[in-house]
Amino acid sequence: SQQGEEDPQALSIQEGENATMNCSYKTSINNLQWYRQNSGRGLVHLILIRSNEREKHSGRLRVTLDTSKKSSSLLITASRAADTASYFCATSRGSASKIIFGSGTRLSIRP
Amino acid sequence: NAGVTQTPKFQVLKTGQSMTLQCAQDMNHNSMYWYRQDPGMGLRLIYYSASEGTTDKGEVPNGYNVSRLNKREFSLRLESAAPSQTSVYFCASSERDRVNQPQHFGDGTRLSIL
Repeated sequence: SQQGEEDPQALSIQEGENATMNCSYKTSINNLQWYRQNSGRGLVHLILIRSNEREKHSGRLRVTLDTSKKSSSLLITASRAADTASYFCATSRGSASKIIFGSGTRLSIRP
Repeated sequence: NAGVTQTPKFQVLKTGQSMTLQCAQDMNHNSMYWYRQDPGMGLRLIYYSASEGTTDKGEVPNGYNVSRLNKREFSLRLESAAPSQTSVYFCASSERDRVNQPQHFGDGTRLSIL
């Protein structure tokens, strides 16, 4: 069963532009995580935001969490070709074994 | 520091054959996980091991078995492969099976069942 649903499913932007991806979920959570997956590779953890946090930054990444709307957004500023990848949100209602992944947003950065 | 290593990277099997996917981590993590990833879907948990000596079913365990060989290694076995098991399989680990623990992933095994 999928909890997080990303939007859009695919996004293509020009290098240097900002990319925004959204994740909506249905039930209460302890935290929400974002992962990146490059083609043919495994997932790489980007950032974890706890349910009592509203915003978190890591380098060019900015994540927001609105628990009242049950949604999160991932903003990548000043995009680069290397940001081309699929991005997944994962929601957790308990232990690490209980996290549920969404189906992902495919981001393409045009040179 | 290799992180999570999976072998093999690719495999083609015939229906009914058996196979074991291997996974090893060198981060001294207590918890390990097996997922499958199918097109257009997120990862689904097959089995996990919260600590050495324990294993538990995830969302889609049917047709699979696992063995936590030691703290480093966690294998996934297909006893009688079926075409529905064609997928990309990922192994992951985390420090502990607790809340707020990120997972670290291997690069996957791409498995095709003919």
